[in-house]
Amino acid sequence: GAGVSQTPSNKVTEKGKYVELRCDPISGHTALYWYRQSLGQGPEFLIYFQGTGAADDSGLPNDRFFAVRPEGSVSTLKIQRTERGDSAVYLCASSLSGSGETQYFGPGTRLLVL
Amino acid sequence: GQSLEQPSEVTAVEGAIVQINCTYQTSGFYGLSWYQQHDGGAPTFLSYNALDGLEETGRFSSFLSRSDSYGYLLLQELQMKDSASYFCAVRSDTGRRALTFGSGTRLQVQP
Repeated sequence: GAGVSQTPSNKVTEKGKYVELRCDPISGHTALYWYRQSLGQGPEFLIYFQGTGAADDSGLPNDRFFAVRPEGSVSTLKIQRTERGDSAVYLCASSLSGSGETQYFGPGTRLLVL
Repeated sequence: GQSLEQPSEVTAVEGAIVQINCTYQTSGFYGLSWYQQHDGGAPTFLSYNALDGLEETGRFSSFLSRSDSYGYLLLQELQMKDSASYFCAVRSDTGRRALTFGSGTRLQVQP
């Protein structure tokens, strides 16, 4: 597949549980971004990776959210002690070099916290 | 902080031309992008303006005026498949790669 892929496509969990969301960027893209989108809103930035390191995590809402990209390719967004307010679509995007202008988005993971 | 304003909804008929405006307030500015998103789908890049003027890509054009902190997306020869949400987004400075998105404009194309 040539595009960004995300798994799972849908995730239903209970309040207080831990979830992991996976993103597989376009091969060769060094920059990876996580966004969160609520209904009727634009994507909201969470964290940006350049290679293996988190170059900008200023969008993470609190310390329950954490993301890794250990080998500079696949990334995992981890949410601890989920809350109902975490329900949203979590989007991953990648770009070739971190120039930022053209970001290629995955289809997202729809997270529902009951 | 950064903020972007765009109309929440626009309706037009097939074959027509529609313009979606975007005004922004940012502490710095590095470029204005436009993305299209169909219901349930991923945002898809449409265009990017870093300098003043008009950029044309097929039926879509995008304009930027840095002095007015304003841009627009122009869609010509509207087709039913253009019904989607359109987001403007800014990259506020060279040190920050993330995009800040507006709330989106929902375009409904009617036959």
